[in-house]
Amino acid sequence: AQKITQTQPGMFVQEKEAVTLDCTYDTSDPSYGLFWYKQPSSGEMIFLIYQGSYDQQNATEGRYSLNFQKARKSANLVISASQLGDSAMYFCAMREGRGADGLTFGKGTHLIIQP
Amino acid sequence: DAGITQSPRHKVTETGTPVTLRCHQTENHRYMYWYRQDPGHGLRLIHYSYGVKDTDKGEVSDGYSVSRSKTEDFLLTLESATSSQTSVYFCAISEFQGFDGYTFGSGTRLTVV
Repeated sequence: AQKITQTQPGMFVQEKEAVTLDCTYDTSDPSYGLFWYKQPSSGEMIFLIYQGSYDQQNATEGRYSLNFQKARKSANLVISASQLGDSAMYFCAMREGRGADGLTFGKGTHLIIQP
Repeated sequence: DAGITQSPRHKVTETGTPVTLRCHQTENHRYMYWYRQDPGHGLRLIHYSYGVKDTDKGEVSDGYSVSRSKTEDFLLTLESATSSQTSVYFCAISEFQGFDGYTFGSGTRLTVV
């Protein structure tokens, strides 16, 4: 079974609209962390937001927020007021335990913002 | 000043030749990772290191070896490159304090012809 599932291979969204990118995860470890990264066409991996399994509140970073529903094992990324520069690949990733053995990534969602 | 650099950024090599990719960090982080990125697969872990001379295998380690003789350097070697190893390779570093973040290098695009 996949540990990280991103069900939207691609999305088209109008500029200024809000966007929700889906991510579900699977782990039996009570301690874990969920990450979202953005990868523009230039190729670098840009960290966006982090949610720990014990965090009581949903994480927010500027226009990014993480809709964390622990019981449903989902960690959706919400981008408010989308901009043309938000066009990129977006990856959801998880570390389990202390994460010494790194992150497990989903396959990504290609988001295109249309003017 | 980038805390993590990868070299080379691009490389074309022939099937059967050995190739070494280098990851260098200036953050003194304990943990270092090598991932490969292929279309439709996201990033997959090849090998990782939790200290000097301490390494372990990841999900897709076949055909790869690593070495870490200094804290700052983590080398990925393809002993005999194959076309299936054409990919973009990312190095990442991490130190587990509070946030547990991971910082990625800019990637190395490797083409095996």
